[in-house]
Amino acid sequence: GESVGLHLPTLSVQEGDNSIINCAYSNSASDYFIWYKQESGKGPQFIIDIRSNMDKRQGQRVTVLLNKTVKHLSLQIAATQPGDSAVYFCAENSGGGADGLTFGKGTHLIIQP
Amino acid sequence: KAGVTQTPRYLIKTRGQQVTLSCSPISGHRSVSWYQQTPGQGLQFLFEYFSETQRNKGNFPGRFSGRQFSNSRSEMNVSTLELGDSALYLCASSDTSGNTIYFGEGSWLTVV
Repeated sequence: GESVGLHLPTLSVQEGDNSIINCAYSNSASDYFIWYKQESGKGPQFIIDIRSNMDKRQGQRVTVLLNKTVKHLSLQIAATQPGDSAVYFCAENSGGGADGLTFGKGTHLIIQP
Repeated sequence: KAGVTQTPRYLIKTRGQQVTLSCSPISGHRSVSWYQQTPGQGLQFLFEYFSETQRNKGNFPGRFSGRQFSNSRSEMNVSTLELGDSALYLCASSDTSGNTIYFGEGSWLTVV
């Protein structure tokens, strides 16, 4: 099976609500995790990252939570906007860049007006 | 600061042909990696170059190859194209420490 996965292929939320996208990983040696946003026809765009020595990291309207006990990662998007519609991928990197990122399948976030 | 630049953005090739894709990393970034994205397999790691040396390679056949130049620019080549090679090929760059990996917009390859 794949090392990194997301729980839901599609998530539909109302504009203005908060969104939570989840990801489970299986490689306990992974020490670096990244969330990417990919809009149709574009490459993945870096959102936020977190290292394994942290539990939480905040950015602009986004928060990443890492639970190493259950090997779970989540991305929280506050006050979801239409421009947040995209596919979101979590990725893990256990080799400091040299081994490549392992991506999950992605969650398609749909914003309802 | 310019982002990761990939050329060409779109191309169509015939089975059996070969293709070369180009990538210019973010200025100052010495690590360049390549990924293949398809609807069925998702994003998969192809290989990574640092200082003109391939540091790691994913699980792809030998038809997929790459190289990196002294200015950190990279190319990947796919020989004897198959229909299944149709995909979005993404290049990513990062700094020496391997932190934050940034992607380009990709090259859409269609094999007919």
